[in-house]
Amino acid sequence: AQSVAQPEDQVNVAEGNPLTVKCTYSVSGNPYLFWYVQYPNRGLQFLLKYITGDNLVKGSYGFEAEFNKSQTSFHLKKPSALVSDSALYFCAVRDMGDDKIIFGKGTRLHILP
Amino acid sequence: NAGVMQNPRHLVRRRGQEARLRCSPMKGHSHVYWYRQLPEEGLKFMVYLQKENIIDESGMPKERFSAEFPKEGPSILRIQQVVRGDSAAYFCASSPSRTGVEGGYEQYFGPGTRLTVT
Repeated sequence: AQSVAQPEDQVNVAEGNPLTVKCTYSVSGNPYLFWYVQYPNRGLQFLLKYITGDNLVKGSYGFEAEFNKSQTSFHLKKPSALVSDSALYFCAVRDMGDDKIIFGKGTRLHILP
Repeated sequence: NAGVMQNPRHLVRRRGQEARLRCSPMKGHSHVYWYRQLPEEGLKFMVYLQKENIIDESGMPKERFSAEFPKEGPSILRIQQVVRGDSAAYFCASSPSRTGVEGGYEQYFGPGTRLTVT
């Protein structure tokens, strides 16, 4: 069965510093990997995805993520954090042969001014 | 192109009443997913539907919960005889095709319905 882990409940970063939100996954086949962001009282917004190809994926709002097959990780990164990046971030995975996306429990990102 | 629409945005029910949550997918999307989010927790998959078919309901509680996606109209998540533990945010998502087979289509989420059971 597929699963995804976000080991940090919360990440604090000073504005202007680089940020990383960690995600590891487990699937039986090839993975599709996704990052979503949720602002308070809102639905989830899609940020980026890895399907195949280049391991470094670029997405919305300056975010990027690196697929590492050997470490089964898909960490979300941004070179310079903004206060407006403060939100709840979800990593998600789907096995290529499945219809269901499994979400991590989320990581709350606080960007400190 | 309107996004995924959910209504109502907020719903208050007393214990024992029924709750009906509606979801209209994005135009051109034929696949609908329902998720539940408890406070300070992640999203839990509930059910995946296509028009007139339930594809995967492995995340649905065995009793009181049902879902449909009729040929015409929105998808409905119905909770009968609600209890306080049903209080949560319920999100609907849609996608353009069978995401597991034909490619890595992401899901597009609605704003959610926040159910409060008093």
